[in-house]
Amino acid sequence: DAGVIQSPRHEVTEMGQEVTLRCKPISGHDYLFWYRQTMMRGLELLIYFNNNVPIDDSGMPEDRFSAKMPNASFSTLKIQPSEPRDSAVYFCASSLGRSSYEQYFGPGTRLTVT
Amino acid sequence: AQSVTQLGSHVSVSEGALVLLRCNYSSSVPPYLFWYVQYPNQGLQLLLKYTSAATLVKGINGFEAEFKKSETSFHLTKPSAHMSDAAEYFCAVSGKSDYKLSFGAGTTVTVRA
Repeated sequence: DAGVIQSPRHEVTEMGQEVTLRCKPISGHDYLFWYRQTMMRGLELLIYFNNNVPIDDSGMPEDRFSAKMPNASFSTLKIQPSEPRDSAVYFCASSLGRSSYEQYFGPGTRLTVT
Repeated sequence: AQSVTQLGSHVSVSEGALVLLRCNYSSSVPPYLFWYVQYPNQGLQLLLKYTSAATLVKGINGFEAEFKKSETSFHLTKPSAHMSDAAEYFCAVSGKSDYKLSFGAGTTVTVRA
């Protein structure tokens, strides 16, 4: 059974460029979460969706960040324009919901903005 | 709001020794609690979970954790450390009203030969 899939695994871009991170959740899971992990701030929840609808985006740091979930099997996190301080590992996770609370994480995308 | 505090950002143990990682939660109602492990350059992997059934929870790789309501704790233990246990460990809590998890700051475990 495939787990959460993220692409790309590594992304290096220059400041000011647009970056798009992609996630495919586990089939049948109702919840999708986007996290950012840095040494300084640890693991931060950016936004999460339930049945493709954004529920809480209070963790999105700025208007430069946006996330979409056009269907149950795909989500994107976009940063436009990117800045060096956005360098981090971005994780996508999914959860079944329906009284099952554990989340399953993807391998992450390591983003470096120069 | 629920939160967890992990005591000790780094723990060093000898191979074969007991591993003990401490986690205390703050919640107004009995929460759901989780331990995750993160190996270098990988995502977080679920070790075990407490969801108000048995207070002693067994997980993968020989780990277990005990929920103690009186101490608001959910400490993780493994009787005998293996070199492969070197990783970062995260405690997390979820309320029952939503499906968000609040993570602790993490504890890095190193295992000495």
